[in-house]
Amino acid sequence: GEDVEQSLFLSVREGDSSVINCTYTDSSSTYLYWYKQEPGAGLQLLTYIFSNMDMKQDQRLTVLLNKKDKHLSLRIADTQTGDSAIYFCAEFPNTGNQFYFGTGTSLTVIP
Amino acid sequence: NAGVTQTPKFRILKIGQSMTLQCAQDMNHNYMYWYRQDPGMGLKLIYYSVGAGITDKGEVPNGYNVSRSTTEDFPLRLELAAPSQTSVYFCASSYLAASSYEQYFGPGTRLTVT
Repeated sequence: GEDVEQSLFLSVREGDSSVINCTYTDSSSTYLYWYKQEPGAGLQLLTYIFSNMDMKQDQRLTVLLNKKDKHLSLRIADTQTGDSAIYFCAEFPNTGNQFYFGTGTSLTVIP
Repeated sequence: NAGVTQTPKFRILKIGQSMTLQCAQDMNHNYMYWYRQDPGMGLKLIYYSVGAGITDKGEVPNGYNVSRSTTEDFPLRLELAAPSQTSVYFCASSYLAASSYEQYFGPGTRLTVT
């Protein structure tokens, strides 16, 4: 299977920016995703980016894609306590029918 | 739309018992998936289905079975439950003719096998 890697933990102070990083393996992936999981809940799609884009901005969220290094990042501006959650990156390779998820990064926002 | 629904929310099984985790979606999605989530391990795909009557194994299918007799329903069967199957199970669906292939997740079933 594919190997999607993320660091496990990140702590930031309220009001600062958070940057969550992800590396993926399949260069054929057309879509790359960021999901958010709040405690006791399922995953919710935050944003996604097409592989032919380098950057996508959506309000406080900025996604950066470096295809050469197979690196994806999610920047959350002005991080709030409500942003505390686990964030998963995922890829969908063109060659199959499956999504591949990273291990998730647990973001803690300190008031 | 209710989206993706899962029942039960919680269940405790004894070793060797069997059960079926129910999953339903009302969005007419063609793809459906079952994942398990263990702490610090992300999501592992158990089985998926690309349409009614078609199922395929994911990364960790051993000890599980699925069926897809309708577009809406995708139950996951555990036979002879083992402690290693203690996990949180998520069902998801997506419509792969859509522009983004977005997956919609159910709220999860927390299963403990003792």
